[in-house]
Amino acid sequence: DTAVSQTPKYLVTQMGNDKSIKCEQNLGHDTMYWYKQDSKKFLKIMFSYNNKELIINETVPNRFSPKSPDKAHLNLHINSLELGDSAVYFCASSQVGASGRDEQYFGPGTRLTVT
Amino acid sequence: AQKITQTQPGMFVQEKEAVTLDCTYDTSDQSYGLFWYKQPSSGEMIFLIYQGSYDEQNATEGRYSLNFQKARKSANLVISASQLGDSAMYFCAMREGSFGNEKLTFGTGTRLTIIP
Repeated sequence: DTAVSQTPKYLVTQMGNDKSIKCEQNLGHDTMYWYKQDSKKFLKIMFSYNNKELIINETVPNRFSPKSPDKAHLNLHINSLELGDSAVYFCASSQVGASGRDEQYFGPGTRLTVT
Repeated sequence: AQKITQTQPGMFVQEKEAVTLDCTYDTSDQSYGLFWYKQPSSGEMIFLIYQGSYDEQNATEGRYSLNFQKARKSANLVISASQLGDSAMYFCAMREGSFGNEKLTFGTGTRLTIIP
């Protein structure tokens, strides 16, 4: 009964290829996110979706295209992969509770290595 | 200016001692949330504790407590009676934005090592 799942966990590919990472959450949350964690462990938001609608796009190259077919899924497609895209990509989801609390629950991460 | 500052890149603490991880933040919003996450060597991000900007009491979750000093804009994590399994990276994060437009900004993290 995994809350936020991502596939694949590891992805090794060559420069110039196109790849996708899938994310699913079974928490019933309205908002989903993609984060990138670089080699120095710094985490930065890339995108957020609320009820399938793009809300946040943090100056990410347009080679990255998120897609949300329904509010439980948020996939990330990356075109023309570059060496600098190597990182761990985390999907997350959240829902504002009655108390205003809205912690984000993270998936296990996808380690992308571009060679 | 950094929105979230964690000034301790690494800390070593003896097992069973308490440890305080520092976090200061910068925002002009009145409504915001502060979070701490743990990232063990296995890589997953584990939510530990939350403090809302309007919460008057410091948050506590088991051995974790958040020392929230709003005027000083600090939100330090206190771990009591540290255990070997507490060895991990710890990230402080701040949520800004309104419903559906929230985003977390993370600090650079503190690597905590518990010494037996």
